[in-house]
Amino acid sequence: RKEVEQDPGPFNVPEGATVAFNCTYSNSASQSFFWYRQDCRKEPKLLMSVYSSGNEDGRFTAQLNRASQYISLLIRDSKLSDSATYLCVGARVKIIFGKGTRLHILP
Amino acid sequence: DAGVTQSPTHLIKTRGQQVTLRCSPISGHKSVSWYQQVLGQGPQFIFQYYEKEERGRGNFPDRFSARQFPNYSSELNVNALLLGDSALYLCASRWGQGGRTEAFFGQGTRLTVV
Repeated sequence: RKEVEQDPGPFNVPEGATVAFNCTYSNSASQSFFWYRQDCRKEPKLLMSVYSSGNEDGRFTAQLNRASQYISLLIRDSKLSDSATYLCVGARVKIIFGKGTRLHILP
Repeated sequence: DAGVTQSPTHLIKTRGQQVTLRCSPISGHKSVSWYQQVLGQGPQFIFQYYEKEERGRGNFPDRFSARQFPNYSSELNVNALLLGDSALYLCASRWGQGGRTEAFFGQGTRLTVV
């Protein structure tokens, strides 16, 4: 099993809808988790840190389920500008990225 | 405050040549990591340096090497370039080396090997 796994998508979602991504991880990747957003041909940018039971920032909610070894990202009231690739990250000493989930918000 | 800076931003090299990529972390950050990202994939871990010592190495051949300087800047060297080395090379800056410290990325160096 790979350390961090994501569904590559693409997820094609109408504007205003709610979309959720899951990411699974193996034991070796676990200490902290993050979601990064990456626009085409740009560097990844930190979207949210996911500590303990999760956190919320505006339209974005991240959850961590250590028992089932998955992390989720929920985006409510999606905007066209949310179109990007979302990278799930597990961090210990080194940072391990998933392959990313592509999201297209449709007008 | 300046963010993570990488140079050059774009580079074209010929097979067999050598390349050096540079990264300056955020002021106060002591950890620098290097990643390779090919189109359609997530970044792949190459090296991590903390306090000028190598703290981790990914599954890359010995043609890849790196170092960190006393001012915490870092260089990534790739020898005997192959076509498959064409990718976006990303540098990540962290304050510490523990899992709870967030990483911030430079804009990357886009390397094309022809």
